[in-house]
Amino acid sequence: DAGVTQSPTHLIKTRGQQVTLRCSPKSGHDTVSWYQQALGQGPQFIFQYYEEEERQRGNFPDRFSGHQFPNYSSELNVNALLLGDSALYLCASSLVTAGETQYFGPGTRLTVL
Amino acid sequence: AQSVTQLDSHVSVSEGTPVLLRCNYSSSYSPSLFWYVQHPNKGLQLLLKYTSAATLVKGINGFEAEFKKSETSFHLTKPSAHMSDAAEYFCVVSDIDTPLVFGKGTRLSVIA
Repeated sequence: DAGVTQSPTHLIKTRGQQVTLRCSPKSGHDTVSWYQQALGQGPQFIFQYYEEEERQRGNFPDRFSGHQFPNYSSELNVNALLLGDSALYLCASSLVTAGETQYFGPGTRLTVL
Repeated sequence: AQSVTQLDSHVSVSEGTPVLLRCNYSSSYSPSLFWYVQHPNKGLQLLLKYTSAATLVKGINGFEAEFKKSETSFHLTKPSAHMSDAAEYFCVVSDIDTPLVFGKGTRLSVIA
């Protein structure tokens, strides 16, 4: 049974560019959440998707957007990249009916130059 | 709003000695509490979860945590540290239908 997968593993972009990160949830899960983990910090919640809709959103600007597809996979898009967007981006999946237990993928390391 | 304070940014223990990682939380309601572990260049792995059942929660790899409502604490312990336990540990709180809120993490070093 495959766990949560994310692609790509690493990514290097320059300021002002746009980036798309991808996530496939654990088999049977219907909810995907995205987190940003800056170096030396704990993960911070960006947003959560369920039934292809954004359910909840953290304190992130509109430059951060997402999408969930009918097969429950998800994308995170970041526009107009800033140096401060450099971080590890983590995807977590869960069952909406199972409360808050979330299972995390390995993350995508984004470096903005 | 929920919050988590991990009282130590770095803990160093000798192999075979007990581990104690401290966590205090703030929550408006009856919270769910978690401990996750992150090994270098890896994602987060769930160690254990508390959801208002038994106050002493047993997790994987010999870890356990005790929920103490009066002290708003959820400290993580292990009787005997192993070299493979060296990692970053995160205490996490969540209320009903709210996002996970992470502490800043505690780096555990294990000395041979």
